[in-house]
Amino acid sequence: AQSVTQLGSHVSVSEGALVLLRCNYSSSVPPYLFWYVQYPNQGLQLLLKYTTGATLVKGINGFEAEFKKSETSFHLTKPSAHMSDAAEYFCAVTFRSGSARQLTFGSGTQLTVLP
Amino acid sequence: ETGVTQSPTHLIKTRGQQVTLRCSSQSGHNTVSWYQQALGQGPQFIFQYYREEENGRGNFPPRFSGLQFPNYSSELNVNALELDDSALYLCASSLGGGSTDTQYFGPGTRLTVL
Repeated sequence: AQSVTQLGSHVSVSEGALVLLRCNYSSSVPPYLFWYVQYPNQGLQLLLKYTTGATLVKGINGFEAEFKKSETSFHLTKPSAHMSDAAEYFCAVTFRSGSARQLTFGSGTQLTVLP
Repeated sequence: ETGVTQSPTHLIKTRGQQVTLRCSSQSGHNTVSWYQQALGQGPQFIFQYYREEENGRGNFPPRFSGLQFPNYSSELNVNALELDDSALYLCASSLGGGSTDTQYFGPGTRLTVL
């Protein structure tokens, strides 16, 4: 069975500092990996995804993530945090249920950006 | 292009009642997935519909059921509501059910069971 672990349920950074949100996965087959962001009282918005090809994936709002198979990781980074980045971030992996491609999510990381 | 919409935005029910939540998929999308997000947790997969047929189901009891209509909109029905059913229910649509197909999420319906 596939699973996702997000290390750190809460992360605080200062505005302008590096953002690093950690995600490790467990999968018996090659994974497809996603990062979603959720702002208060809203649904989830896709930041980026890795399917095949280049292991460094660039997404929206200056975020990027690198797929490292040897480390089973897909950490999310942003060089310089903005106040508007404060939100909850979810890492997800696809998992097959019958013929469905469900997303299996981690428990989320709440990012706080300090002025 | 219209995104995924859900109704209602908020709902309060009492234990034992039944509830129906609705989702309109993004234009051109034929696949709808439903997720339950309890407070402080990540979303959990309930089931997926592809071209009006259930295409997969997560670890939820049969009192969670759904429908997909010819226009690809969808309903989630929950019978015999329990207190633990209180959660944000998210609908996501995609062009197909493939692993690489991006799922686009609606804003969710917040269900409170008293």
